[in-house]
Amino acid sequence: AQSVTQPDIHITVSEGASLELRCNYSYGATPYLFWYVQSPGQGLQLLLKYFSGDTLVQGIKGFEAEFKRSQSSFNLRKPSVHWSDAAEYFCAVGVIYGGSQGNLIFGKGTKLSVKP
Amino acid sequence: DAGITQSPRYKITETGRQVTLMCHQTWSHSYMFWYRQDLGHGLRLIYYSAAADITDKGEVSDGYVVSRSKTENFPLTLESATRSQTSVYFCASRKDRHEQYFGPGTRLTVT
Repeated sequence: AQSVTQPDIHITVSEGASLELRCNYSYGATPYLFWYVQSPGQGLQLLLKYFSGDTLVQGIKGFEAEFKRSQSSFNLRKPSVHWSDAAEYFCAVGVIYGGSQGNLIFGKGTKLSVKP
Repeated sequence: DAGITQSPRYKITETGRQVTLMCHQTWSHSYMFWYRQDLGHGLRLIYYSAAADITDKGEVSDGYVVSRSKTENFPLTLESATRSQTSVYFCASRKDRHEQYFGPGTRLTVT
């Protein structure tokens, strides 16, 4: 069965430092992959997505993610974190086959705190 | 462009009562979804709908009912609310190729 693992429940980084949030997926075929961000009290906003092609994808707010098939990973990165990046981040994989085709399977999220 | 809206944003109800959470989208997206978000569980799919009058169960559908008589609306009903249904509920709609857009959420407390 498809699954998504975000190994880090909570990460704290200093403002201006670089960031990498980890995401591993379990899926037999080339996956559709997503990163969403949720600010406190808000809904989820799409940061970026990967369907095919270039394995390094750029998103909004200065985020990027790299798809590595050999490692079944889709890690999210940002070179310099801003205090406004404090939020919860969710990785998701799209279901391609079967009755629930088109649905998303989410990881449990990583909460990012930013130190001034 | 309103996008996707949910109402109410906050709701407190008592155990055993029926509660309906509303979801409305202005994009005419075919697919719509209901999720619940709980600490330690992330987002879990309750129900989804591929089009008007077509709905299907997700991972945690017990105790919930949905309907979709119009493309733009997708209400979620808790037939007899239980404390375990205290959660934040998110509605989403799908544009294409899995990309989903989320509403602001409804925080439901069952006392």
